[in-house]
Amino acid sequence: KAGVTQTPRYLIKTRGQQVTLSCSPISGHRSVSWYQQTPGQGLQFLFEYFSETQRNKGNFPGRFSGRQFSNSRSEMNVSTLELGDSALYLCASSPGGSGASKRAQYFGPGTRLLVL
Amino acid sequence: KQEVTQIPAALSVPEGENLVLNCSFTDSAIYNLQWFRQDPGKGLTSLLLIQSSQREQTSGRLNASLDKSSGRSTLYIAASQPGDSATYLCAVIDNDMRFGAGTRLTVKP
Repeated sequence: KAGVTQTPRYLIKTRGQQVTLSCSPISGHRSVSWYQQTPGQGLQFLFEYFSETQRNKGNFPGRFSGRQFSNSRSEMNVSTLELGDSALYLCASSPGGSGASKRAQYFGPGTRLLVL
Repeated sequence: KQEVTQIPAALSVPEGENLVLNCSFTDSAIYNLQWFRQDPGKGLTSLLLIQSSQREQTSGRLNASLDKSSGRSTLYIAASQPGDSATYLCAVIDNDMRFGAGTRLTVKP
């Protein structure tokens, strides 16, 4: 099976712009989660989508939003970019559903965002 | 609120040594605990997944244990190699996924 793919891999934006990142999960996986990784804060959970619905949400401002399509692909959007949004954004997919084995997560390579 | 702590933050060992990385968590009501490896600037590679009903998992030179009652997990790496140099992260899965800050491992030839 192909792994989790994320596009683009690298992105440079300026303050105030908005950005959309894309994640394609492993085939058959229905859950997609997004994480932000920075040197200072480590890995922080943004949100999880399952069957096109946001199932869980971390403590990020409303500028961070996401959605999931019927084919389980997900997009994350950040509006009004700030310098502090510079980070590695990681997407992870899992089979989803109930049961412990359904929640194992598999990560994509990430999108490195630099905000100038 | 679940908190995950990894000790030590950094570790340097000579090639061939056996080593143990530690992970502790505050809330024992978890589904799984997962160990990952991250190389600089890259995504996370899943190493081992331990379900809450299990006590350990093994893959090659890696062995991970889980003690839910004490809120601890260990990752044992046997016969370390320079290629094992990376940051190792543990993550606790309940309603979401919470990561420790990681242990940066350097294995010197």
